Order: sequence, then structure tokens, then C-alpha cells
Amino acid sequence: KNQVEQSPQSLIILEGKNCTLQCNYTVSPFSNLRWYKQDTGRGPVSLTIMTFSENTKSNGRYTATLDADTKQSSLHITASQLSDSASYICVVSVSQAGTALIFGKGTTLSVSS
Amino acid sequence: DTGVSQNPRHKITKRGQNVTFRCDPISEHNRLYWYRQTLGQGPEFLTYFQNEAQLEKSRLLSDRFSAERPKGSFSTLEIQRTEQGDSAMYLCASSLGQGIAYEQYFGPGTRLTVT
Repeated sequence: KNQVEQSPQSLIILEGKNCTLQCNYTVSPFSNLRWYKQDTGRGPVSLTIMTFSENTKSNGRYTATLDADTKQSSLHITASQLSDSASYICVVSVSQAGTALIFGKGTTLSVSS
Repeated sequence: DTGVSQNPRHKITKRGQNVTFRCDPISEHNRLYWYRQTLGQGPEFLTYFQNEAQLEKSRLLSDRFSAERPKGSFSTLEIQRTEQGDSAMYLCASSLGQGIAYEQYFGPGTRLTVT
């Protein structure tokens, strides 16, 4: 069964600190892996997209890693800001068509001052 | 604003009533997707259109659900005889094409509450 598991379910950190979110997937055939940020009451916004041949990709303070052998990905947030408070969703695409997107449940990050 | 727009943003309806949601994709995006997201869960795929053709439907899309994209631009999602289990956020996304090069851009969603 195609599944995407994320951990932790929720996380609270102080402003300025770093954090790492985890994603494990059992999806086949794997096409690409995406990380989305979803603010409360809003639609998801893409942060990174990686194919199986990419190990790391950065977008500002966000750095995603991918290990296609172990089927694990992480999202590292550096120097967190209050505006980083959101749900971070790991999404795995099953095919090149991109229509079969398997979403994780997300990690809810709260950044406090 | 040239992003994906959805209307209404919130809808409260009584069980058994019909509801219709509208999605306006980014101009010239030929692919349009509908997702459903319940509290504490990630979005789940419902259906997608390539221009006006509905090419794929999820098992989640029961016969009470129907989606259209008559002119290949905006799309509507109708739910007939709503049930409390239909309460969720309904998200629409659009993309210029398929595959990794074509990102899906999401709208703000329509939150449905069935009482």
C-alpha cells in the first residue's frame, strides 16, 4: 500500500532555532517527492520538489534531503521565524504524470518567541 | 490576483442538501485537480481534468459527487445529498502540464460543514 508517514506529528521550537522534519514513504513506482507548507485555513504552497536522483535541494532557509534507497526524506528549517508556524506536508508522486500524489498527514510546527 | 481562486470560502449546509463549489484556475493552466482534506490529515486526491476532459477519478468520489469543467477554464464540484462525513476542506489546484516540471498551485480551499 502506498503510504507517506511523517514525524513528529507536532513540534514547538523557539524563534531562531533550527529543526528537522522527517518523512518515510512506501510508494512505488516513485517519481518525485515534494514538501509543501500549509498555513492554517490556506492551500498548500510548494517548497521543494526532488526526483530520485537528487539528494538535497534548498529553498532559502528550507533544505530538503532525499535518500531513495531508504525511502526517507527530511526538511530542515534554519533560523526559524514566527512565520514558519504552519503544517509541513510531505508528498510523494507515484508516476511521471504527477496526478497520483500521496500526501502525508503533515507535521504541525509552532515557532514561539 | 492571478492565483487559483475558490468560492465560496466557507459553506454550512444541512444534511441532505446539495452544494456546489467553484474553482478558477490560473489562466492558461490546462490541468485542474480537486482534493479533499479533513482535519489533521493531508489532502486526498478526488479527480482531475486535462482541459475539459475528466481523466481520472478517485474511489473517494462517490456517485453523489460530480465535477465539471465545461469550457476547460473554471470547474465546479457538486455534492448531492450531503452527509456529515462530507465535512472537509475542498482544495482545488491547477498546473500548466504534467510531471515534475509542472508545479500544482493550490487555491485557498472551500471549507464545508454539514450539520
